[in-house]
Amino acid sequence: AQTVTQSQPEMSVQEAETVTLSCTYDTSESDYYLFWYKQPPSRQMILVIRQEAYKQQNATENRFSVNFQKAAKSFSLKISDSQLGDAAMYFCAYRGSIYNQGGKLIFGQGTELSVKP
Amino acid sequence: KAGVTQTPRYLIKTRGQQVTLSCSPISGHRSVSWYQQTPGQGLQFLFEYFSETQRNKGNFPGRFSGRQFSNSRSEMNVSTLELGDSALYLCASSLAGQHPLSTEAFFGQGTRLTVV
Repeated sequence: AQTVTQSQPEMSVQEAETVTLSCTYDTSESDYYLFWYKQPPSRQMILVIRQEAYKQQNATENRFSVNFQKAAKSFSLKISDSQLGDAAMYFCAYRGSIYNQGGKLIFGQGTELSVKP
Repeated sequence: KAGVTQTPRYLIKTRGQQVTLSCSPISGHRSVSWYQQTPGQGLQFLFEYFSETQRNKGNFPGRFSGRQFSNSRSEMNVSTLELGDSALYLCASSLAGQHPLSTEAFFGQGTRLTVV
């Protein structure tokens, strides 16, 4: 069975600084997708960034980028120029092959990020 | 384009009762998944429906059930409620194809269920 682990329950960053959130996963599949979701106090889950396992290039979305290490099964999120609005719970998620797992997402336990002004 | 709509937003029920939650996916999305979120267990997958068929199921007791209608709207039902069923229930819709652009799951704002 696939698992996702986030070892940092809480992180803190100064506004305008850079922070990295860690995520590791375990799978025997070769075809899968990884995601980072943000959940602010409103509880609305918002997709931050997506990475396809078959792509070696790390995904980037504006101030958000990932460090995808497939062999190490590591998928960290880097937030640059942190803003107050980045404060939220961040979840790392895994989705396997649509043929084996359908649309099922497996989530890590989450990392609560606070941003200090 | 309207997002994923979950109703009701809040519910208070008594132990032993049953409850039905509703989810309207984004237009054109045929996959609807349900998740339970609690402080202790985090986000756990309940089940997924695709084109009115249950495609995948998580490790929850049979008291948790769901269905999907021909317009892709989905309902989940919990019978004989227990205190431990108190949680935020999230619904997500997606195209759920193999193309990368179809893998994104869009979430509703959730239904907060409190069992007393």
